[in-house]
Amino acid sequence: SQTIHQWPATLVQPVGSPLSLECTVEGTSNPNLYWYRQAAGRGLQLLFYSVGIGQISSEVPQNLSASRPQDRQFILSSKKLLLSDSGFYLCAWSPSQRQFFGPGTRLTVL
Amino acid sequence: KQEVTQIPAALSVPEGENLVLNCSFTDSAIYNLQWFRQDPGKGLTSLLLIQSSQREQTSGRLNASLDKSSGRSTLYIAASQPGDSATYLCAASSGGSEKLVFGKGTKLTVNP
Repeated sequence: SQTIHQWPATLVQPVGSPLSLECTVEGTSNPNLYWYRQAAGRGLQLLFYSVGIGQISSEVPQNLSASRPQDRQFILSSKKLLLSDSGFYLCAWSPSQRQFFGPGTRLTVL
Repeated sequence: KQEVTQIPAALSVPEGENLVLNCSFTDSAIYNLQWFRQDPGKGLTSLLLIQSSQREQTSGRLNASLDKSSGRSTLYIAASQPGDSATYLCAASSGGSEKLVFGKGTKLTVNP
């Protein structure tokens, strides 16, 4: 069966510090991968999606970037965090259309 | 541009009641529509996916319908239980792709 992992589960970072969030999927190959952010009072917002290694599409101009160094690994990064980057970050994978989500990372920027 | 709206934002019902959650979307040229459940502080759990060519999907006590012409989907929950308490999110695909646009959700509370 397929499983999706995210780490860390929670993170508190100061403004201006770098960020690296990791997502890995097990039990499948060549999945579509997605990064979403859920901020307080707002809906779930698609940040990046990837259809293959090294193929990243950005949905919203922002302070973040994404990379896919391996088939089942998706990384969300920032060089300098802003207060507005706080939120709940969710990774998802899709074999075709249905999307399956990871447990999320709660990021607080102080 | 696809926009998804869910009304009401919150709903409280007694245990055993049948209930309907509503979702509306602006672009009828959707690829699919999906319903998810989110428990507090957790990720999303996929409940049902309705393809654009389908009218409804069923899973256990859940039934989701899709009416593209009116831009609406409903999630019907039969014989609600306290364990059904969660936020339910509707998401519609956008621009003929698999990318999803989410509503803000309906927070459901089922009281014992």
